[in-house]
Amino acid sequence: GAVVSQHPSRVICKSGTSVKIECRSLDFQATTMFWYRQFPKQSLMLMATSNEGSKATYEQGVEKDKFLINHASLTLSTLTVTSAHPEDSSFYICSARDQQQYFGPGTRLTVT
Amino acid sequence: GEDVEQSLFLSVREGDSSVINCTYTDSSSTYLYWYKQEPGAGLQLLTYIFSNMDMKQDQRLTVLLNKKDKHLSLRIADTQTGDSAIYFCAERNSGNTPLVFGKGTRLSVIA
Repeated sequence: GAVVSQHPSRVICKSGTSVKIECRSLDFQATTMFWYRQFPKQSLMLMATSNEGSKATYEQGVEKDKFLINHASLTLSTLTVTSAHPEDSSFYICSARDQQQYFGPGTRLTVT
Repeated sequence: GEDVEQSLFLSVREGDSSVINCTYTDSSSTYLYWYKQEPGAGLQLLTYIFSNMDMKQDQRLTVLLNKKDKHLSLRIADTQTGDSAIYFCAERNSGNTPLVFGKGTRLSVIA
């Protein structure tokens, strides 16, 4: 199946700093990319949907100024967590869609 | 809004068949998916079925769709310890809409 990569796989940062997570579709062009957050033992929570070259659509309750999404090309989307706080610690998963939807391996963010 | 429901836990013995069930409410669902998530990993697309299909088989996996009852199932034949994971059912319609996920079924395989 199609491959989606995410980097970094794990990051620890200090409170108040910003962290960028990259998501790439390696062998296909993704018309749409999605960013999810997953809390322990829970399902995925959709944060935002982004189409290449246009602004992301954020789900209710997700702060767009805090979670900056840039979908610069058909194979790359980035999520920047700005001014991170401990409550932002979570597992972030990106997903890319062409005809079907494929997920990256996730990024474990820990804010100390 | 749309909703997807699945039982939270399933335990089977190694070598037996596992059947994971899912129900959904969106009558305009076009694509229905099963994803597998192992601890600390992302979601792996296992299989999917279009709403105009009743059944799809791929090696040890069989997906059955009852569109009238809005019921989807995933059968894993000859379940192995490596099949232990969380299995998510998801659906979407034909537009560019996000997937709607169930809460996931944790499959435990007993050796």
